[in-house]
Amino acid sequence: ETGVTQTPRHLVMGMTNKKSLKCEQHLGHNAMYWYKQSAKKPLELMFVYSLEERVENNSVPSRFSPECPNSSHLFLHLHTLQPEDSALYLCASSQESGRAGNEQFFGPGTRLTVL
Amino acid sequence: GQQVMQIPQYQHVQEGEDFTTYCNSSTTLSNIQWYKQRPGGHPVFLIQLVKSGEVKKQKRLTFQFGEAKKNSSLHITATQTTDVGTYFCAGALTGRRALTFGSGTRLQVQP
Repeated sequence: ETGVTQTPRHLVMGMTNKKSLKCEQHLGHNAMYWYKQSAKKPLELMFVYSLEERVENNSVPSRFSPECPNSSHLFLHLHTLQPEDSALYLCASSQESGRAGNEQFFGPGTRLTVL
Repeated sequence: GQQVMQIPQYQHVQEGEDFTTYCNSSTTLSNIQWYKQRPGGHPVFLIQLVKSGEVKKQKRLTFQFGEAKKNSSLHITATQTTDVGTYFCAGALTGRRALTFGSGTRLQVQP
C-alpha cells in the first residue's frame, strides 16, 4: 500500500451518465495529481493541485472536472464521456517544496469503461 | 513543447540477459526519477537522480544521469522474471509544477 487510495476500482458508465472518481492520500502531502493511462498515451498528466489550488490543467476536455476540497482528497467528476475516454485513471500525491519534482506516490487506479 | 522521450518502447529478453532503457529530454532537467509499473499495477518510485553525471545502484539496477542533465539510463544486469513490467522515466522540467513522464519501456523476460 502506498498511502493513496482510489474508489471505485472499476467503473462502467454510459455516455450520458455522471459519475465521480475519488482519491484520498494519507501521507500528509501537499500536492495531488490526476493521470490518464491508456495504450495510446501511457501516462498523461491531466490536472495538478498544489495546496488545494489547481496549478496545471493540461488541455483536458471540460467533460472532466476536478475538485480538491482539501489537501487529502481529490475528485474527478465525469459527465457525457466518450468511449475514447475509457482508460485507467491514476491519482498521485507528493510533497512539494516550491520546486516541483519530488517522488510521487500513486494510487491503484480506477479502470473506467465508457459504453 | 518540452518532452521526455524514452526508448525502446518494448524489449523482450531471455532471463539472464541484460536490459537498458534510455531517456532523453529536449531541455535540462533539475532531476530525473524512475518508476516501475508491474502488469495490472500502478507506477512505483524506484529512484531519483539530481546531480550531473550521477550514478546510483540498487542491486542489479544501475541508474545514470547524463553530464548535461538531459538524459538518463536504467540498466538491469542479469534480468529475472520479477523484472517484468514497464519502466518510466520522469523529468522535472524548468517552469513545470509536475513531472513529465516518458512513454515507458515495457520489459518482457522469457524464463
